[in-house]
Amino acid sequence: GESVGLHLPTLSVQEGDNSIINCAYSNSASDYFIWYKQESGKGPQFIIDIRSNMDKRQGQRVTVLLNKTVKHLSLQIAATQPGDSAVYFCAEEAAGNKLTFGGGTRVLVKP
Amino acid sequence: EAGVAQSPRYKIIEKRQSVAFWCNPISGHATLYWYQQILGQGPKLLIQFQNNGVVDDSQLPKDRFSAERLKGVDSTLKIQPAKLEDSAVYLCASSPGGLVEKLFFGSGTQLSVL
Repeated sequence: GESVGLHLPTLSVQEGDNSIINCAYSNSASDYFIWYKQESGKGPQFIIDIRSNMDKRQGQRVTVLLNKTVKHLSLQIAATQPGDSAVYFCAEEAAGNKLTFGGGTRVLVKP
Repeated sequence: EAGVAQSPRYKIIEKRQSVAFWCNPISGHATLYWYQQILGQGPKLLIQFQNNGVVDDSQLPKDRFSAERLKGVDSTLKIQPAKLEDSAVYLCASSPGGLVEKLFFGSGTQLSVL
């Protein structure tokens, strides 16, 4: 039988196109957010973060947008490359330096 | 800089057996975390240490899971007895002084309980 946990949302994107990954968070008291990238067989790796007093932050080829009104976070990857293929997780921090991870999104880059 | 080291890389056991995982954090990192990641889900915190003291073990199933960090460096996570639902990747992470923005993960131990 199938397991619900095995079915990650998947974003299939052409190499060179932009990718947008979305995340809804649950705790309105969360004040810090991180996007992680997890490649097969590896642990999550920090990509970019944003604090709740900001609504946008840019890194190298990545941009994070935060909409606190609707508790929504997005990660934009510009000019997606094959090396961007991975599972992406958002995580939120509330009080006490504790991170809560959301469900992931798998990104598949087509050559 | 060496990363977070974990062993073994893979482990297959039968239900009701016991298993132990080992973690060596990044040198100088006072805070150590154990996470459980079930296939297709995000990591879930099991336990957090600050040096050799437990900060948070509220989500650790204490009837079967135990963890220690006796000298404030290496840590061991044990499951006894294992259940089928314990099949997951067990990730160790460390950070300096509990700063989540400087959290580094190891590659994990993949556990299969048959």
